[in-house]
Amino acid sequence: DTEVTQTPKHLVMGMTNKKSLKCEQHMGHRAMYWYKQKAKKPPELMFVYSYEKLSINESVPSRFSPECPNSSLLNLHLHALQPEDSALYLCASSQDQLRRPQHFGDGTRLSIL
Amino acid sequence: GEDVEQSLFLSVREGDSSVINCTYTDSSSTYLYWYKQEPGAGLQLLTYIFSNMDMKQDQRLTVLLNKKDKHLSLRIADTQTGDSAIYFCADLLLRGCNAGNMLTFGGGTRLMVKP
Repeated sequence: DTEVTQTPKHLVMGMTNKKSLKCEQHMGHRAMYWYKQKAKKPPELMFVYSYEKLSINESVPSRFSPECPNSSLLNLHLHALQPEDSALYLCASSQDQLRRPQHFGDGTRLSIL
Repeated sequence: GEDVEQSLFLSVREGDSSVINCTYTDSSSTYLYWYKQEPGAGLQLLTYIFSNMDMKQDQRLTVLLNKKDKHLSLRIADTQTGDSAIYFCADLLLRGCNAGNMLTFGGGTRLMVKP
């Protein structure tokens, strides 16, 4: 069982829809991450939040909008996505921003019609 | 930038040992990680090693680090069918204080365990 919880597990949406992915951890971690993973590829970093502030944006298109309401929650707001955005979206957290290992959730499988 | 390489595929028989190899390029690496990913699931942290260590053992898992050659390996003893998965090695890249650490992943090795 993972200590990082992601909802929903699966999401199908049209290109004009607005939806949000949610991630929650109660391990007291202060760094949280969003990754995108295509089939048979390693995860690609999208965003990093450190102490609830956005510290890294890996040139992600603006149709993906992250939000960190508090130290336990991380959201990814989706709007006007493209079919190529279909992927597994993984959330991770780590105790601090330095050397602690990242712990991953099980991901949200996103399909764009 | 940092580059992490793994072989794509490994097939072993149940009960044998598996050795998954990884090479990296960043000589300032401090931590190296092994993650396991089963179909439809996220990444499970298996183990990690600090760069001042040569070896780390955790039950059936043994990690060997050759810092001179920038080579990392994961040995799984008595491999079981439940070990079939994709294994990713990852190198830690620090971006400075309060900036979040960044993992550079290898391409993943698919381990198939035959009964």
